[in-house]
Amino acid sequence: AQSVTQLDSHVSVSEGTPVLLRCNYSSSYSPSLFWYVQHPNKGLQLLLKYTSAATLVKGINGFEAEFKKSETSFHLTKPSAHMSDAAEYFCVVSDHSSHGQNFVFGPGTRLSVLP
Amino acid sequence: EAGVVQSPRYKIIEKKQPVAFWCNPISGHNTLYWYLQNLGQGPELLIRYENEEAVDDSQLPKDRFSAERLKGVDSTLKIQPAELGDSAVYLCASSKTGSTVFGPGTRLTVL
Repeated sequence: AQSVTQLDSHVSVSEGTPVLLRCNYSSSYSPSLFWYVQHPNKGLQLLLKYTSAATLVKGINGFEAEFKKSETSFHLTKPSAHMSDAAEYFCVVSDHSSHGQNFVFGPGTRLSVLP
Repeated sequence: EAGVVQSPRYKIIEKKQPVAFWCNPISGHNTLYWYLQNLGQGPELLIRYENEEAVDDSQLPKDRFSAERLKGVDSTLKIQPAELGDSAVYLCASSKTGSTVFGPGTRLTVL
């Protein structure tokens, strides 16, 4: 069975400072991992995904994440936060089972960016 | 390219009433998902279609929820009768070869 833990329900940073959103996963298979962002009243938008290629994955809007198998982690980072980054962020694990590709979402981390 | 279209965007009903949500996936996307997102939580899968076949409906509460995708394109999710606890956002997503796109969701409020 798959599961995702997002260690912080809420992270608050000042504009221009680094962002770190933590994610740990559990999967019986070789997983694919994703980060999605959800702005208020908007759909989920894919930030980046890891699919067993390079362990450091670069996404949109300056975000990147590093896959660490030994730590079962896939933390999301950004060097400098912008006000527009304030949103809900979801870590997602996906693998293939008898039903095909399954997505399991973490509970989400709300990012606040202070001026 | 148009995204995943969902309607209505918002729906308010009284408990015990029926409600239906509609989803039009991205053209050419064979896989269609319905997710339930409760307030402050991540989305949870309700049902997944491959073309017109429901290949995973293990999390769909079949006593009151039903879904269909008759021609393998657009899909409808129905709740009958709705309960107070059904208040949530219902998300539709479609995918093709590993690229998944989510719709904006339908926010349901049951009074």
